[in-house]
Amino acid sequence: NAGVTQTPKFQVLKTGQSMTLQCAQDMNHNSMYWYRQDPGMGLRLIYYSASEGTTDKGEVPNGYNVSRLNKREFSLRLESAAPSQTSVYFCASSAPVRGRDNEQFFGPGTRLTVL
Amino acid sequence: SQQGEEDPQALSIQEGENATMNCSYKTSINNLQWYRQNSGRGLVHLILIRSNEREKHSGRLRVTLDTSKKSSSLLITASRAADTASYFCATIAGGTSYGKLTFGQGTILTVHP
Repeated sequence: NAGVTQTPKFQVLKTGQSMTLQCAQDMNHNSMYWYRQDPGMGLRLIYYSASEGTTDKGEVPNGYNVSRLNKREFSLRLESAAPSQTSVYFCASSAPVRGRDNEQFFGPGTRLTVL
Repeated sequence: SQQGEEDPQALSIQEGENATMNCSYKTSINNLQWYRQNSGRGLVHLILIRSNEREKHSGRLRVTLDTSKKSSSLLITASRAADTASYFCATIAGGTSYGKLTFGQGTILTVHP
């Protein structure tokens, strides 16, 4: 099993450009998440999807959109990139057991720089 | 805003010593989790403790939870150079915050051989 995979690993954008970060998991997990991590800080939740067909805002959703394409894939889109979105982006997934929260499995991250 | 605050921000010890990291949070929780992040990598789950548990062990890890003080500690015994990493606590708030992990800022642990 590959676990959680993310593409691309690195990306440089100019202000105003758009791009989509891709995430896929092969663990048959219902829930998927997008986080951003800024230098010297913990992760902050951008959006999450509790199950296929549903998405909800997290702590810092402004400037982002998401799509839960199917159970495996959850993409994050920046419509008009800004320097403040320079960060490392992590995707994660989890499989709650009997309605109780469980551990989350993280991808390797995408390092995004917006000039 | 981030719920968890970790202490210390950085910890430097010798191999074989114990490392203790503390985490405080602000609201009621369903569970508290600890993750490790090696430099430039994604996070790896270490241990989860539920709000009705007080202590949990996993190998060289010992986690305690004091809900009355809204705090948790992670103890790594007999540390190794390979334990060098950043350690984060993360909480899932009570009520309808299902799945929403809130992370602390992390403790950077350096274990010298």
